[in-house]
Amino acid sequence: EPEVTQTPSHQVTQMGQEVILHCVPISNHLYFYWYRQILGQKVEFLVSFYNNEISEKSEIFDDQFSVERPDGSNFTLKIRSTKLEDSAMYFCASRRFATSEQETQYFGPGTRLLVL
Amino acid sequence: AQKITQTQPGMFVQEKEAVTLDCTYDTSDPSYGLFWYKQPSSGEMIFLIYQGSYDQQNATEGRYSLNFQKARKSANLVISASQLGDSAMYFCAMRDSWGKLQFGAGTQVVVTP
Repeated sequence: EPEVTQTPSHQVTQMGQEVILHCVPISNHLYFYWYRQILGQKVEFLVSFYNNEISEKSEIFDDQFSVERPDGSNFTLKIRSTKLEDSAMYFCASRRFATSEQETQYFGPGTRLLVL
Repeated sequence: AQKITQTQPGMFVQEKEAVTLDCTYDTSDPSYGLFWYKQPSSGEMIFLIYQGSYDQQNATEGRYSLNFQKARKSANLVISASQLGDSAMYFCAMRDSWGKLQFGAGTQVVVTP
């Protein structure tokens, strides 16, 4: 069964460093998302991406964050200068269509980011 | 503004019993979708079940069923015949008209032998 994959599974970085989180969405999906979950808290929306551009972003997604789809398969989240409060699990998700029958968003296994 | 509320922070349930996890929502969108995800201790988010706002029948997926009461704005998850492997955090989420999901705070379920 097709699945969303994410790499790395864990990332430890120093405050102020840049990190890039990688995602490979399901191949025939058109809509892509990043969410984050700070330890012990609920999942929060960061950004959505469709047709090679951002379709919506949250207040969390400030100028330190960016997303790219550099080729036909990868979808990346970059944090330019990490802060301690960026420590969280980051989930990539994708879905195929907007119709109600096929609206399920499938999540990757997550990347656990720790900023020291 | 949309809102998802899960009022049960934690629940214990005995193996083989059914458990109902509450979820209420608030939205002004005429079209929306409701989801339940399971998050085991390993951290991944596992899709369980989906209910569209225009769906006439309650969704079912194996041992999972969604009790959708549109007038009450509730979308409770029922897990029948609980198994030890059902122990996890369960999140209710709502899709808005832009497609993003908004999650509730989650309910931690512990299944006991």
